[in-house]
Amino acid sequence: DAGVIQSPRHEVTEMGQEVTLRCKPISGHNSLFWYRQTMMRGLELLIYFNNNVPIDDSGMPEDRFSAKMPNASFSTLKIQPSEPRDSAVYFCASSWGRNTGELFFGEGSRLTVL
Amino acid sequence: DQQVKQNSPSLSVQEGRISILNCDYTNSMFDYFLWYKKYPAEGPTFLISISSIKDKNEDGRFTVFLNKSAKHLSLHIVPSQPGDSAVYFCAASGIEGAQKLVFGQGTRLTINP
Repeated sequence: DAGVIQSPRHEVTEMGQEVTLRCKPISGHNSLFWYRQTMMRGLELLIYFNNNVPIDDSGMPEDRFSAKMPNASFSTLKIQPSEPRDSAVYFCASSWGRNTGELFFGEGSRLTVL
Repeated sequence: DQQVKQNSPSLSVQEGRISILNCDYTNSMFDYFLWYKKYPAEGPTFLISISSIKDKNEDGRFTVFLNKSAKHLSLHIVPSQPGDSAVYFCAASGIEGAQKLVFGQGTRLTINP
């Protein structure tokens, strides 16, 4: 079975450019999460969707960050404009039903903003 | 304010011996605790969990212990194998479940042959 699929795996861009990260959750899962991992802050939740609806975006750091989930099989995380401090690994995860925390993570997208 | 803390950034253990990874939490409303394992260039994968109504959960070589009064949990790996070398994250959730899952900073475990 295919797991959570993220693209791109690596992205190097210059400050000020727009970055779009993509995620395809596991088929049948109805919850989707975007996490960011940095050395300083560890794994932090950015936004949570349930049934394609954003439920909690309190972790989104700034207005430069936005996320969408147009359908059950696709989500994007966009940063516009990007800054060097956005450099991190961004993970997408999905789960099914009322969940206590057992998430299925993608392999992550490593973003470097120069 | 870090609600879930893993105070040891790294741990080195001899193959075949026991590995003990520790985690402390501050929020008494947490009622479900999990351990995730992460290899380089991969996403975290769920390893084992425990509900607050239990004090021990075992799955093969992996056992998680929960001490609610001390707000402390630990992961025991016996015997340790080279393939266990990874970063281990402790995580906790409360009534809101996965929506408010809080991760620790992680502990890098190295198993030496």
